[in-house]
Amino acid sequence: SAVISQKPSRDICQRGTSLTIQCQVDSQVTMMFWYRQQPGQSLTLIATANQGSEATYESGFVIDKFPISRPNLTFSTLTVSNMSPEDSSIYLCSVSGGGTGGYTFGSGTRLTVV
Amino acid sequence: AQSVSQHNHHVILSEAASLELGCNYSYGGTVNLFWYVQYPGQHLQLLLKYFSGDPLVKGIKGFEAEFIKSKFSFNLRKPSVQWSDTAEYFCAVSSNSGYALNFGKGTSLLVTP
Repeated sequence: SAVISQKPSRDICQRGTSLTIQCQVDSQVTMMFWYRQQPGQSLTLIATANQGSEATYESGFVIDKFPISRPNLTFSTLTVSNMSPEDSSIYLCSVSGGGTGGYTFGSGTRLTVV
Repeated sequence: AQSVSQHNHHVILSEAASLELGCNYSYGGTVNLFWYVQYPGQHLQLLLKYFSGDPLVKGIKGFEAEFIKSKFSFNLRKPSVQWSDTAEYFCAVSSNSGYALNFGKGTSLLVTP
């Protein structure tokens, strides 16, 4: 299965600023997924990122707030823009395992907005 | 709309008790089903998955799950829990291989000595 390197692992940010989270995969994958896990909650899908096209956002998430880049088949970034304390969460990227059918998750970015 | 429901939000069991956590989904067509575990302060870990074939799936750490298509269910079971099974358990579904996972709200399991 794929291995994902996600950075940063954690950050504390001032409200109104932006943070960019990076995910690097050790193999080429068609789709990458970005999730948010708010404290004590389950994982919620933010968007699906395909290389060469705009990301597809889930209801409640917009591109202006969570812009995503997918410049190639092994890399993606998620930016959390104009942050507020409500954005304090763990953000995770994920890829599907192709033929194996499984999913691999990055180690997550724990974001605290103060 | 597609959804995943976990009915037990908080479960408290004594060690050696049997465990069954419910998961129901609302999807049309073929589904792929997963159970993940998240130990306190740790990352998601895959317990087991079902794509096709034998509806009784065995996973790691003595867990198993049964896919009942007629009931749209994929319940997780363990015959005898241990204190170390204290964790959050998530059921997840994808409508097709390679598509995003849709997670249930999770079940918090506390196993007391």
